[in-house]
Amino acid sequence: KNQVEQSPQSLIILEGKNCTLQCNYTVSPFSNLRWYKQDTGRGPVSLTIMTFSENTKSNGRYTATLDADTKQSSLHITASQLSDSASYICVVRNDYKLSFGAGTTVTVRA
Amino acid sequence: ETGVTQTPRHLVMGMTNKKSLKCEQHLGHNAMYWYKQSAKKPLELMFVYNFKEQTENNSVPSRFSPECPNSSHLFLHLHTLQPEDSALYLCASSPQTGRIGDIQYFGAGTRLSVL
Repeated sequence: KNQVEQSPQSLIILEGKNCTLQCNYTVSPFSNLRWYKQDTGRGPVSLTIMTFSENTKSNGRYTATLDADTKQSSLHITASQLSDSASYICVVRNDYKLSFGAGTTVTVRA
Repeated sequence: ETGVTQTPRHLVMGMTNKKSLKCEQHLGHNAMYWYKQSAKKPLELMFVYNFKEQTENNSVPSRFSPECPNSSHLFLHLHTLQPEDSALYLCASSPQTGRIGDIQYFGAGTRLSVL
């Protein structure tokens, strides 16, 4: 079983709407959690990084939350745009390795 | 652009062919990585190089052979591949391995199809 589980696997939203992606992990000990955005035909690009003591971090219309007690993170996209269509990957690091989620594919429709 | 360039972007090869994937980074990093990305699966780390030395090989079949001649270049030599090796192969770099806060910068990948 993968140590990083993301849900949903995919979702479709209308332009201008909000959505939330979930990431649950079992990685231990925890060092940090990073959300990556991967556009079609491109490699992943880092959106945010969160450490144990951080609950919320924003990057423009992207807001990530972390609950280290329940080992859950979410990525909230506000006022979605067509350019938000991509795969979003949750990556959790312990002391020596990265564990990747399978990603959530977001499709924003006009 | 991320500063990591991969060529070719697409590759179709037969099971008896020999081909190579190339990765070049212009970020001054010392660590480079090869990943395999299959549809709806997490990225799989294949190889790690730090200061040109291989530090990790995640039980990758010998039909995949990496080469790192210097800190800026990384190659993946392919021979006698199987259809299940078809995937997106991503190269990444970071300042060096083992530093918890470092970001990995990814190339756009090579889409490989094995016939």
